[in-house]
Amino acid sequence: GENVEQHPSTLSVQEGDSAVIKCTYSDSASNYFPWYKQELGKRPQLIIDIRSNVGEKKDQRIAVTLNKTAKHFSLHITETQPEDSAVYFCAAGNSGNEKLTFGTGTRLTIIP
Amino acid sequence: DGGITQSPKYLFRKEGQNVTLSCEQNLNHDAMYWYRQDPGQGLRLIYYSQIVNDFQKGDIAEGYSVSREKKESFPLTVTSAQKNPTAFYLCASTSLGGGQDEQFFGPGTRLTVL
Repeated sequence: GENVEQHPSTLSVQEGDSAVIKCTYSDSASNYFPWYKQELGKRPQLIIDIRSNVGEKKDQRIAVTLNKTAKHFSLHITETQPEDSAVYFCAAGNSGNEKLTFGTGTRLTIIP
Repeated sequence: DGGITQSPKYLFRKEGQNVTLSCEQNLNHDAMYWYRQDPGQGLRLIYYSQIVNDFQKGDIAEGYSVSREKKESFPLTVTSAQKNPTAFYLCASTSLGGGQDEQFFGPGTRLTVL
């Protein structure tokens, strides 16, 4: 089955700096890669996703890049703000079986 | 926050008891999922269902059971066979067709075994 590895497990950045979280996956059939944000005590919520037919997607301060050859994808957050502090999860999915495999999460802390 | 709900928010169970966690959605989603969340381990899939009266085991199904008698409901039973049931349980749902789409999560149930 699919295996998703996520790094780093914790990340602290100064407010206004950029943050990058990286994930690798093992199943070449995976074609859907969402990123979820989970604030303390709350449910995970989708912040951005990318499908295998594109290499990059951007939504305001958030961007995701995908390298299918190397089987890795990354989340980039620019101009970080205190409200970006949360746990971020990457995931990989295959439209054939409609399930996701999640990474172990990155706890991002923005230092004011 | 509407759309997918879970109850109760907190649940305490004595060892040896079965307990059932509720998950309901009014999004008309076809697929529903149960995940277990432990510190440092991300979200691990327990069971999922793509259609009424059918479900598949996920990566950690042992000690759990589910049913899908209605499209809107996907209850999870944590049985006494589950060796370490204390965890945060999340239910999710998504529509099917046309490739994968966003999974919407419920607020979760925190189960503690006393």
